[in-house]
Amino acid sequence: EAGVAQSPRYKIIEKRQSVAFWCNPISGHATLYWYQQILGQGPKLLIQFQNNGVVDDSQLPKDRFSAERLKGVDSTLKIQPAKLEDSAVYLCASSLGVTGGFSGELFFGEGSRLTVL
Amino acid sequence: AQSVTQLGSHVSVSEGALVLLRCNYSSSVPPYLFWYVQYPNQGLQLLLKYTSAATLVKGINGFEAEFKKSETSFHLTKPSAHMSDAAEYFCAVAGTYKYIFGTGTRLKVLA
Repeated sequence: EAGVAQSPRYKIIEKRQSVAFWCNPISGHATLYWYQQILGQGPKLLIQFQNNGVVDDSQLPKDRFSAERLKGVDSTLKIQPAKLEDSAVYLCASSLGVTGGFSGELFFGEGSRLTVL
Repeated sequence: AQSVTQLGSHVSVSEGALVLLRCNYSSSVPPYLFWYVQYPNQGLQLLLKYTSAATLVKGINGFEAEFKKSETSFHLTKPSAHMSDAAEYFCAVAGTYKYIFGTGTRLKVLA
């Protein structure tokens, strides 16, 4: 079974530039998550999709971050314009979805490491 | 609201020694609890999970964790550390729609 795919693995940009990250979840997984992991911290949820719809985007800085999940499969996370504090690893995860009151085991991609200079 | 607290951001043990990584949770409903491991430059990988069945949960690579409701704890243990266990470990609590991760504990294994 193929895992969660993310690209690019590494990206270096200057502040005020834009960047986009792509995620392809495990086939059949209804729920897709984008997490931000700053060095030395735990993952912080940015946005969660259930199929095409957004379940939670309360911690997404909407003035600069946007995300979409077209056709309930692949997803793209965009940052425009980037700030120095956006330097982090952006992790995509997927799960089967809610069953029996449980959101399901998370499967993570390898992450996209962003450095903003 | 749910939350997890990991005590100790860095833990060092000698090879062959007991590994104990601490996690305390807060949840207003019966929790689902997890331990994930992250090796350098990789994503998170599930070690084990508690979903209201047996309170002692066995995971991969010889790790296990015990759910103690009275102590609101879910500590991770391994009887004998191996060099390959050096990584960052995250405790997480999950509800219907949301996972909350702890801040992580970096495990160092000394030869």
